[in-house]
Amino acid sequence: DVVMTQSPLSLPVTLGQPASISCRSSQSLVYGDGNTYLNWFHQRPGQSPRRLIYKVSSRDSGVPDRFSGSGSGTDFTLKISRVEAEDVGIYYCMQGIHWPLTFGGGTKVEIK
Amino acid sequence: VQLVESGGGLIQPGGSLRLSCAASGFSVSTFYMSWVRQAPGKGLEWVSVIYSGGTTKYADSVKGRFTISRDNSKNTLYLQMNSLRAEDTAVYYCARAVATIIGPDYWGQGTLVTVSS
Repeated sequence: DVVMTQSPLSLPVTLGQPASISCRSSQSLVYGDGNTYLNWFHQRPGQSPRRLIYKVSSRDSGVPDRFSGSGSGTDFTLKISRVEAEDVGIYYCMQGIHWPLTFGGGTKVEIK
Repeated sequence: VQLVESGGGLIQPGGSLRLSCAASGFSVSTFYMSWVRQAPGKGLEWVSVIYSGGTTKYADSVKGRFTISRDNSKNTLYLQMNSLRAEDTAVYYCARAVATIIGPDYWGQGTLVTVSS
């Protein structure tokens, strides 16, 4: 199975400050079409997950532009340029190329 | 687009349960429909997917015990769960994807399955 490793496990941040989450996959996430597919999800406490970013850097509709994704091959990053209170929760990366589809263990973002 | 799961509850080990996911706003037959679960206080685990063409795939942890299916006329996704174990205890989410490689774009609210004697 492709292992998705996220760091840090927990990320205390100050409102208005940037935040960065790393995700590393045990295998390349380059698909047969030459594109790289890595997706990010956000889960607020007591809610269902919501996709934020797909295909490394494409933001979903309605996702604020303070969220950005980057990376290639096996190393990826989710950045929040200025953290807001509504950004708390757990962030998961996910690969959909290799079966079984796998998620990272999650990074919990909380406000200091 | 809306996904509404039902069918969860308390079940004894070895028992069976069928989860349903009623979809609206789109046709389940034209998307990749998945079940993803989350054990209490844990992360997300992909359980099963049914492709638009009907192909099904399962996580090793549930293979041979769970069956994913859909009823196009009812626009509903199902997960038949047999031989349930304590480790199957989780919130089960129904999720829709345009393609598995980009992950689900819509998720249901989840239904809790508790396997305990």
